[in-house]
Amino acid sequence: AQTVTQSQPEMSVQEAETVTLSCTYDTSESDYYLFWYKQPPSRQMILVIRQEAYKQQNATENRFSVNFQKAAKSFSLKISDSQLGDAAMYFCAYCSNDYKLSFGAGTTVTVRA
Amino acid sequence: KAGVTQTPRYLIKTRGQQVTLSCSPISGHRSVSWYQQTPGQGLQFLFEYFSETQRNKGNFPGRFSGRQFSNSRSEMNVSTLELGDSALYLCASSDSGREETQYFGPGTRLLVL
Repeated sequence: AQTVTQSQPEMSVQEAETVTLSCTYDTSESDYYLFWYKQPPSRQMILVIRQEAYKQQNATENRFSVNFQKAAKSFSLKISDSQLGDAAMYFCAYCSNDYKLSFGAGTTVTVRA
Repeated sequence: KAGVTQTPRYLIKTRGQQVTLSCSPISGHRSVSWYQQTPGQGLQFLFEYFSETQRNKGNFPGRFSGRQFSNSRSEMNVSTLELGDSALYLCASSDSGREETQYFGPGTRLLVL
């Protein structure tokens, strides 16, 4: 089974500042997908960003961007111009052609006003 | 399009009982996956259905089962409930050809007493 590691249990950021969440994964596959999901206190899992491993270009969705380093098996999420609504648990997830998402343990992000 | 819906949202059962949870996917989505989220084990894959067939199953005991109907709606059943089955059960749906990109419902919180 693939292992996804999020080494930061908690991160805190000042409103309007930038925060970067780390994620590493272990796989022997060459073709796979990586995701960041956000889970606010409502517990609804929200897809933030998607990255295809065969694409070298880093994915971007508005204020959210990733730094995908395939050789290092690293997939970090950068949240720019942080807003109070960004406060949530963020999960890094891996998926190959079996369509099973493997999740990391999550990083709790708090945003200071 | 309406999102993934799950019913019921909250459920309280006692040990030994059985429970059935329901999931309606996003219109047009034919793949439905189920995940269990607990504080101790995090997010774990239960099973995935496509066109009424189970394509993948996670490492859960046989007490956990599921099915999918012709309209893509899915149910999961847990028999002989144990205290450790208390969890948030999340359903996700995805589109044909993009099964790796999964959109989650709000979840069902199950408490076993």
